[in-house]
Amino acid sequence: GAVVSQHPSRVICKSGTSVKIECRSLDFQATTMFWYRQFPKQSLMLMATSNEGSKATYEQGVEKDKFLINHASLTLSTLTVTSAHPEDSSFYICSASRASGKYGYTFGSGTRLTVV
Amino acid sequence: AQKITQTQPGMFVQEKEAVTLDCTYDTSDPSYGLFWYKQPSSGEMIFLIYQGSYDQQNATEGRYSLNFQKARKSANLVISASQLGDSAMYFCAMREGGGNYQLIWGAGTKLIIKP
Repeated sequence: GAVVSQHPSRVICKSGTSVKIECRSLDFQATTMFWYRQFPKQSLMLMATSNEGSKATYEQGVEKDKFLINHASLTLSTLTVTSAHPEDSSFYICSASRASGKYGYTFGSGTRLTVV
Repeated sequence: AQKITQTQPGMFVQEKEAVTLDCTYDTSDPSYGLFWYKQPSSGEMIFLIYQGSYDQQNATEGRYSLNFQKARKSANLVISASQLGDSAMYFCAMREGGGNYQLIWGAGTKLIIKP
């Protein structure tokens, strides 16, 4: 089955530093990658959508200069949280889309970011 | 306006009983898809079941079935013979026909199975 590998699973960083989260599709080509943020006991909140080779489309209210998304290849997308602050602490999860059918979305296992 | 509504924030169910998780949706797009995902405490999103708007039959996947009532815009998830391992958050999501196929998510239901 399709697998998306997301790393790291957990990261603790100091305030002001940057953190990069990688999502790699292992056995398929991810034409579109969705990046979500999830606060405790809440639903997934779409941050941005990226298509391979194109600039990401950010949702309203998401700072594109803070959350840098790169989707340079069909198998790798990265989210970089720049100059992280404690309020950026959250669970981040990616989802790769292969097709419009019922198996069209494969999720990474998520990254729990804690900024201290 | 909410496009996906899950009215049950939390549910307690006795082990081995069947459980129905509610989901209603709102769309004017004739082509759409409805998904259910399970999210255990580990955080991973596990795909459970899918229903396309043009599917004639209700979807079933093992112990999971989807009670699709198109006229009512309802897509309830039914879990038969619940198990302790079913305790998790459950999310209903919808994909409309156009655009980047992004999913629209419900607020989720926290299901706890009691032994």
